[in-house]
Amino acid sequence: EDQVTQSPEALRLQEGESSSLNCSYTVSGLRGLFWYRQDPGKGPEFLFTLYSAGEEKEKERLKATLTKKESFLHITAPKPEDSATYLCAVQAGYGGSQGNLIFGKGTKLSVKP
Amino acid sequence: SAVISQKPSRDICQRGTSLTIQCQVDSQVTMMFWYRQQPGQSLTLIATANQGSEATYESGFVIDKFPISRPNLTFSTLTVSNMSPEDSSIYLCSVESLGKPYEQYFGPGTRLTVT
Repeated sequence: EDQVTQSPEALRLQEGESSSLNCSYTVSGLRGLFWYRQDPGKGPEFLFTLYSAGEEKEKERLKATLTKKESFLHITAPKPEDSATYLCAVQAGYGGSQGNLIFGKGTKLSVKP
Repeated sequence: SAVISQKPSRDICQRGTSLTIQCQVDSQVTMMFWYRQQPGQSLTLIATANQGSEATYESGFVIDKFPISRPNLTFSTLTVSNMSPEDSSIYLCSVESLGKPYEQYFGPGTRLTVT
């Protein structure tokens, strides 16, 4: 069964304290792994797509990496405005869930000044 | 990326009634998707709506409960029928990006509370 597990569920950091969020997945033929940011009361905002193991993407203080079993979202020197829920999703290449985005429950990040 | 709007942004409805949610995109897209996000849960795909064909529903979702229309390439509606408190959720539409394989962009969502 295609599945996405994110950890931790919640993470509290001090401003400037770097850390990583984890996304573990099992999927039938990975088409892509996606990271989104969701602020309260808003829809998910697209951040990154990763297609194959070893790939990395960066955007400001965020860096996403991908292996065959998991992805990490590294946050370097976070600021309070990085506080949000970060969602990970995978898309299967074949099987019953082919073509659908399968989401994890997210990691709620709080960055204190 | 496409700009997506949804109406209404939120609503409070009585059980047994129906609500139609609208999704408008600023460019023509082939595939539109409807998701549900229940409190504390991940996003769950309800159905995929392609213009000119019947919507494809995921396991656990049926057309009688969640009828979908897709009259053109920029617009879709989702109706939540005969609502119960268990339907209280955020409903989101998304579109697949043209030219960027498999990437989906989401609307702002509709927060539905059923009393």
